[in-house]
Amino acid sequence: AQTVTQSQPEMSVQEAETVTLSCTYDTSESDYYLFWYKQPPSRQMILVIRQEAYKQQNATENRFSVNFQKAAKSFSLKISDSQLGDAAMYFCAYRSASTSGTYKYIFGTGTRLKVLA
Amino acid sequence: DTAVSQTPKYLVTQMGNDKSIKCEQNLGHDTMYWYKQDSKKFLKIMFSYNNKELIINETVPNRFSPKSPDKAHLNLHINSLELGDSAVYFCASSRTMRGLVRTDTQYFGPGTRLTVL
Repeated sequence: AQTVTQSQPEMSVQEAETVTLSCTYDTSESDYYLFWYKQPPSRQMILVIRQEAYKQQNATENRFSVNFQKAAKSFSLKISDSQLGDAAMYFCAYRSASTSGTYKYIFGTGTRLKVLA
Repeated sequence: DTAVSQTPKYLVTQMGNDKSIKCEQNLGHDTMYWYKQDSKKFLKIMFSYNNKELIINETVPNRFSPKSPDKAHLNLHINSLELGDSAVYFCASSRTMRGLVRTDTQYFGPGTRLTVL
């Protein structure tokens, strides 16, 4: 069974600085998706960035980028030029790409990011 | 327009009652999900429907019964509510991956905070 691990329950970063959130996962599959979701105090789950395992290039979305290390099964999120609005819980998630799969997402336990002014 | 909507946003009820949470998506997706997020923010899938067919049914008490009248709706009915059912329940939807269509991002509703007294 697949698992997703976020080993940092909480992180802090100064405004305008860069922070990296860690995520590791375990799977025997070769094709899958990885996601980072953000959950601000409003509780809305917002997609931040996604990565397809067959793509070697790391995904980027404006100030957000990932470091995808497939062999190491690592998928970290880097937030550059941190802003106060980035403060939230961040969840890493895994989903099999198999068409015969059950479309189940596996979420990590989350990392709470605090942004200090 | 809201992509994935849930009603109600807040639900406070007594132990033993029966309640329902409704979910609707206007994204044209054919797969919908229910997740439970506990007080420690752990997000766990409960059910998933694809084209009105149940495809994921995690270890959830029989008191929880999902119903999908059509592809755009997935409602969650809970019988005989217990204290431990207190949580935030999220609905989500995604497009099923078929053939060369690889995008399969989940979009979440705003959540329903259920409090059982």
